[in-house]
Amino acid sequence: NAGVMQNPRHLVRRRGQEARLRCSPMKGHSHVYWYRQLPEEGLKFMVYLQKENIIDESGMPKERFSAEFPKEGPSILRIQQVVRGDSAAYFCASSRTEQETQYFGPGTRLLVL
Amino acid sequence: RKEVEQDPGPFNVPEGATVAFNCTYSNSASQSFFWYRQDCRKEPKLLMSVYSSGNEDGRFTAQLNRASQYISLLIRDSKLSDSATYLCVVNQKDSSYKLIFGSGTRLLVRP
Repeated sequence: NAGVMQNPRHLVRRRGQEARLRCSPMKGHSHVYWYRQLPEEGLKFMVYLQKENIIDESGMPKERFSAEFPKEGPSILRIQQVVRGDSAAYFCASSRTEQETQYFGPGTRLLVL
Repeated sequence: RKEVEQDPGPFNVPEGATVAFNCTYSNSASQSFFWYRQDCRKEPKLLMSVYSSGNEDGRFTAQLNRASQYISLLIRDSKLSDSATYLCVVNQKDSSYKLIFGSGTRLLVRP
């Protein structure tokens, strides 16, 4: 049973470009969470999605960031017009139900030049 | 004030030592509690859940004190492979079961 998959593992963007991060949850999991880890800091919650629905986006920056989890395909975290401060590790986690253990993917490390 | 606070360390201990980490959380509505382990440049991995009655998994023992809003992790007979950052994590049911992470305590086990 494959774990949570994230791609790309590393992403380099120049300021002003767009970044798209993908997350495929574990088989049988329909709950997806995105977290961001800035250098030397702990993980911070960004957004929680179920299929086709955003349940909690209280941790998402108000501008430039969006997330989706379509009926088919992976969850996507999209960052428009990236800035240097967006450089971080972005982790996705999935769970079978909202109360069960969240399992993390290997993360996408975004570097903005 | 941070929602989950931990001593950042590092704790530098010899193999075989016993080491304890503490954590406090600010929201009394927190419902579930965990210790995760994170190796350098890797994803967090669940080490153990923490229950009020205390629980043990091999060399690891976790305790929760709801009245003091305090969580602990004890590692006995430390191994070199225990070197990692240990993350104290709480789960609050407000609009979702999002995880709230502490900044982590770094452990270095030396030969």
